[in-house]
Amino acid sequence: GAVVSQHPSWVICKSGTSVKIECRSLDFQATTMFWYRQFPKQSLMLMATSNEGSKATYEQGVEKDKFLINHASLTLSTLTVTSAHPEDSSFYICSARARGGFPGTQYFGPGTRLTVL
Amino acid sequence: QKEVEQNSGPLSVPEGAIASLNCTYSDRGSQSFFWYRQYSGKSPELIMFIYSNGDKEDGRFTAQLNKASQYVSLLIRDSQPSDSATYLCAVNGANFGNEKLTFGTGTRLTIIP
Repeated sequence: GAVVSQHPSWVICKSGTSVKIECRSLDFQATTMFWYRQFPKQSLMLMATSNEGSKATYEQGVEKDKFLINHASLTLSTLTVTSAHPEDSSFYICSARARGGFPGTQYFGPGTRLTVL
Repeated sequence: QKEVEQNSGPLSVPEGAIASLNCTYSDRGSQSFFWYRQYSGKSPELIMFIYSNGDKEDGRFTAQLNKASQYVSLLIRDSQPSDSATYLCAVNGANFGNEKLTFGTGTRLTIIP
């Protein structure tokens, strides 16, 4: 149980284009989803927290107009990197908090590796 | 002071020995504590969580929590080469309903055959 999927697993795009990443909880309802970014040899950096049907809460320093998050249902959240630039190249990972689960427990998706040329 | 601190390693342990990973945290009111394993190029995988002082065992893994000293540790018995990975300690905030986790930078563990 507690499986989270992400799509795509990797993407290469040209500078200036937008990229959408999907995060789905496959066998549970996710009350809250989280989006992280991880640069090589660094730890996870939380970008934003999203709850179904409400606006995402962004961490300090994360541009909400650049990283658009939509939490459309209890099983789907999307992250759109708008006007991507090479410095946005990173490993983007989502996680989900299950309804009724142990407080704080997050289950991670497999991640999406974004390369912006 | 970092909120969650781990020794970055690398920590090298012979196969079959016990690997001991430590983590300290600064927020005394923290409620729950998690250990994640992350293989190179992959996303974190939950190993176990603990919220009460003392030990919690799950197979070859034992989590230990000491809230008075603000540290949490993970012991891996009978270490296997497949245990080689980066281990992330994560702490849940003190405020009820705070869903966020604060992660340490991780300890890189290498099991030597």
